[in-house]
Order: sequence, then C-alpha cells, then structure tokens
Amino acid sequence: NAGVMQNPRHLVRRRGQEARLRCSPMKGHSHVYWYRQLPEEGLKFMVYLQKENIIDESGMPKERFSAEFPKEGPSILRIQQVVRGDSAAYFCASSPPSSSYNEQFFGPGTRLTVL
Amino acid sequence: KQEVTQIPAALSVPEGENLVLNCSFTDSAIYNLQWFRQDPGKGLTSLLLIQSSQREQTSGRLNASLDKSSGRSTLYIAASQPGDSATYLCAVLGVNQGGKLIFGQGTELSVKP
Repeated sequence: NAGVMQNPRHLVRRRGQEARLRCSPMKGHSHVYWYRQLPEEGLKFMVYLQKENIIDESGMPKERFSAEFPKEGPSILRIQQVVRGDSAAYFCASSPPSSSYNEQFFGPGTRLTVL
Repeated sequence: KQEVTQIPAALSVPEGENLVLNCSFTDSAIYNLQWFRQDPGKGLTSLLLIQSSQREQTSGRLNASLDKSSGRSTLYIAASQPGDSATYLCAVLGVNQGGKLIFGQGTELSVKP
C-alpha cells in the first residue's frame, strides 16, 4: 500500500505564474488535508477536503488559492499569480473515511520556490 | 481556540543522554496527539500517536506520555544518538477543530557525538 504521494517534489515558478500541486492519498482514504510550512515557521492548516467537497477552508488565503478533490484523480492545490511570499513547503495528508479524527498520514511535501 | 506550544525551541545534548521534549495545549478536548520528526528540507515522519484515552505510547527508545487534563505531553528519548538530530513536532487533533491538526513550533534537537 503506497503512502501519500505528492508531485512535484520541487517546483520553481516566477512571480505571476500559476502553481499546481498534486496529492494522491493513500489507497482507501477519502479525507485529504493541505498544510503549509513557511520558512522558519510551523505547519499551518490550509484546507480539508473529502471527495468533491470542501469541508473546511478556514486556513486558505482568501485570494489566489483554491483546492479541489475530484471524484477521480488526485487532490489539487492551485495557486494563481504566485508571489515570493508563497515560497514554502506544502504538505498533504490523508486519513480513512470512517471519521475525521483518525491518524493523518503525510506525504513528502512539495517545495515551492517563487523567483 | 487551540494553541500548541513546544518547549524548548532548541536543545543540544551530548550523545547518550536521556532527554525530554515538552508539548502543551490549551484545549483539553482532544481526539489524539501525534509526535513527528522532521529532518531539514524533508517531510514529516510520524513517531507516535496517543489517543485521548491513552496515557502513553512507546516505540523503541521513544516514549510519549499524555496528560489530557493538564494539557501536556512529553516525548522521552532514551540514550540519544547523533542520528536523532532533527526537529520534533507535536500536533493535536481537537474535538473542536473540525479535523485539522494544530502544530507546535517544534523543538530543534542536536545530539553531539
């Protein structure tokens, strides 16, 4: 059973470009969470999704950021018109469908660098 | 609002020492608490997860305890080794948090040979 997969592992974008980060949860997991780790800061929750539904997006910046978890395929975190302050490590986690308070399993992260 | 604090922020010890990392949280209504290890530039490795009904969990040289009523957890590392050098993160999943983990800022551990 493969773990949580994220790609790309490293992503470089110039200011104003779009960044798309992908997350494939563990097999059988239907809950996906995105967290961001800014340089020299702790991990902060961004968004919690289930298949085709956003459950909690209270940690998402109001503009330029969006997330989806379609019925088929990976979860996507999309950042439009990136700025230097978006440079961070973005981690995805997944958990099984039985409830929202199970253990969350983390992927290796995508490190975004904005030039 | 749940807040998680880890003390100390950094710790340097000689090899072989036993050490304790501390984590405190403000809302005791939790489902579980998890300890992670993060190496520089890397992802998170889950070390131990303690459910709210448990008092401690052990894995090898690691022992994590949970005192929910006082809002505290400790991670005990026995006979530390240079390979233990990393940042250790504590994360809480609270009843009132809607499924999201709240992380502490981490303790950066350095074990000197």
